[in-house]
Amino acid sequence: DAKTTQPPSMDCAEGRAANLPCNHSTISGNEYVYWYRQIHSQGPQYIIHGLKNNETNEMASLIITEDRKSSTLILPHATLRDTAVYYCIVRGYSGNTPLVFGKGTRLSVIA
Amino acid sequence: NAGVTQTPKFRVLKTGQSMTLLCAQDMNHEYMYWYRQDPGMGLRLIHYSVGEGTTAKGEVPDGYNVSRLKKQNFLLGLESAAPSQTSVYFCASVRGLGTDTQYFGPGTRLTVL
Repeated sequence: DAKTTQPPSMDCAEGRAANLPCNHSTISGNEYVYWYRQIHSQGPQYIIHGLKNNETNEMASLIITEDRKSSTLILPHATLRDTAVYYCIVRGYSGNTPLVFGKGTRLSVIA
Repeated sequence: NAGVTQTPKFRVLKTGQSMTLLCAQDMNHEYMYWYRQDPGMGLRLIHYSVGEGTTAKGEVPDGYNVSRLKKQNFLLGLESAAPSQTSVYFCASVRGLGTDTQYFGPGTRLTVL
């Protein structure tokens, strides 16, 4: 699976959009981009995933560049409860492929 | 559905003691995983299972054994605990089709003195 690069930390004002970047320049054509987050010491929580088209669900939006070498996770209206570590993971199309976690981005939402 | 549950939530061991961590899922998932997470780090894969009766090594398997005798349960054993195994252990499961997402348990915080 391709490696990902994320900034170690970011701050965001409450109510504003949080934009979390991820670089995955070695991604291959059949690999998906997944985002998970981990609040405090809880188990990681799935947010969203995509292949090449932009995706949106009730939690977030995922914007993938046309060359697929980078992506951005957008939390449209960040709240204090969104404070967490966010992991960007590239994974092949196989349900049994284990997720490989990096260190992620620690997002702090500030009141 | 309870999802993925882990037993126990906390445990303190002395060096050399043994213990078993239990992961249970009620979603009929085929694949199950054990990860460990050390402070300030991402999760690292210890062992995983692609079905009942099967197991495989992950990134950091040394010092651990696993068993998957029943589809819904995945056990992680420490035969002789060492302080280096102090960590938070997470179990996860996935149905196993295509881009199915992994579901994680709440974690077990283990301290080895």
